[in-house]
Amino acid sequence: EAQVTQNPRYLITVTGKKLTVTCSQNMNHEYMSWYRQDPGLGLRQIYYSMNVEVTDKGDVPEGYKVSRKEKRNFPLILESPSPNQTSLYFCASSLAGGSLATDTQYFGPGTRLTVL
Amino acid sequence: KQEVTQIPAALSVPEGENLVLNCSFTDSAIYNLQWFRQDPGKGLTSLLLIQSSQREQTSGRLNASLDKSSGRSTLYIAASQPGDSATYLCAVKSGANNLFFGTGTRLTVIP
Repeated sequence: EAQVTQNPRYLITVTGKKLTVTCSQNMNHEYMSWYRQDPGLGLRQIYYSMNVEVTDKGDVPEGYKVSRKEKRNFPLILESPSPNQTSLYFCASSLAGGSLATDTQYFGPGTRLTVL
Repeated sequence: KQEVTQIPAALSVPEGENLVLNCSFTDSAIYNLQWFRQDPGKGLTSLLLIQSSQREQTSGRLNASLDKSSGRSTLYIAASQPGDSATYLCAVKSGANNLFFGTGTRLTVIP
C-alpha cells in the first residue's frame, strides 16, 4: 500500500531533550516536506526536500533540523525542544514538487508532540 | 505572501442536504489548488486537485471549482452523509515548493 508513515504518533517530552520524528514514504517520491498544524494558524511548512541531500527552509524553520540521506526517509530533528514547539506535525511527499501543476501531496497520519 | 481563507469555520447541516464550502486566496499566481479532508487523529486525504488552467474537477459527489482571477474556489458536496463529517482544508500551490493552507471548515452532517 502506498503510504507515508510517521513515528512516533504521540510524544510527550521535556524542554531541552533532543528528539527525532521519523518519516518514510514507499512511493519513490522525490519531494518531501514537514508541516506543523496549530489551532487558528493552519498548516505551515517547516522544511522541504526536493531530493536526496537537497533540503531547504519553509516558513517556520527555527528550532528544527532535517536530513535527507535516503530518498524514502526524511526525519525531523528537534535539538532542544521548547514548549512553543508543542504542535501536530505532518510529513508529506509528492512525486516531484517544484512547479508541476499536477503534483498531489500525500500526508502521513501526524505526530502529536507535547513539550513540557 | 499567499494568504488562504476559508469561511465558514464550522458548518452543521442535516443529512441529504447539498452544501458549498468556500476558499479564497490573495495571489492569483498559483500552480494548483487542492481540497483535503482531515479526520480527527488521522492525516490529510487529498480529495480533488485543480490545475491553474482548469475550472473544475469532479469526483463522485464532490465538485470543486476554481476562479483564479477572483482568487476563489468552492467545494460542492451533494447529498451529504454523516460520513462526510470532517474538517475540509483548502491548499494553494503558489511558489514552487510550498502549499499554503487555509484554517479549514469543520463540517458536521447530522443524521
